[in-house]
Amino acid sequence: QSALTQPPSASGSPGQSVTISCTGTSSDVGGYEYVSWYQQHPGKAPKLMIYEVTKRPSGVPDRFSGSKSGNTASLTVSGLQAEDEADYHCSSYAGINNLVFGGGTTLTVL
Amino acid sequence: QGQLVQSGTEVKRPGASVKVSCKASGYSFTTYYTHWVRQAPGQGLDWMAIIDPNGAGITYAQTLQGRVTMTRDTSTSTVYMELSSLRSEDTAVYYCARGTWDHMDVWGKGTTVTVSS
Repeated sequence: QSALTQPPSASGSPGQSVTISCTGTSSDVGGYEYVSWYQQHPGKAPKLMIYEVTKRPSGVPDRFSGSKSGNTASLTVSGLQAEDEADYHCSSYAGINNLVFGGGTTLTVL
Repeated sequence: QGQLVQSGTEVKRPGASVKVSCKASGYSFTTYYTHWVRQAPGQGLDWMAIIDPNGAGITYAQTLQGRVTMTRDTSTSTVYMELSSLRSEDTAVYYCARGTWDHMDVWGKGTTVTVSS
């Protein structure tokens, strides 16, 4: 499977909203309701932020939300805060117990 | 909540093999899937393999087929990932992670593997 496509960078000012896209194909993003998003601060392990397109694990602020349309999934961060500055990675189930990740997006809080 | 503790940094020559361990604690080891994911320096995440809760089903990324082997020891709640025929492109941080077949909710801190002559 090819990697999912994410923009290399995104940015926003504190308090603003920013949306990060994740584009795949009908064999992964478009074919299943199993898109996840992970936040990763420098030198740290990834942290699950969204799973099954829209669900938030316990403890993740509701400022983080997920959606999907066709072959493109999106992560929206509302009310940006300084601690949201990190890399964000999307992943999708791609059938037969396979997963595929995107290339990652670096979010900068201006 | 669960914790995954990984083995330490490895430095290997090209062509060698490396075996990384991942010990689970604080949860029922045989209730969750376990994944291996790697991240080359400055790059995104790269999914490698998954083992199901029963330990009977293992799936490897097509790009690594034939070079990667995932095993587990339920008596010690430890999962292993062995990568053979190492090349410089395998230099990365290797993570184990707990989850379902489609997402990972608990991650180890990562094991740095450097392949260099």
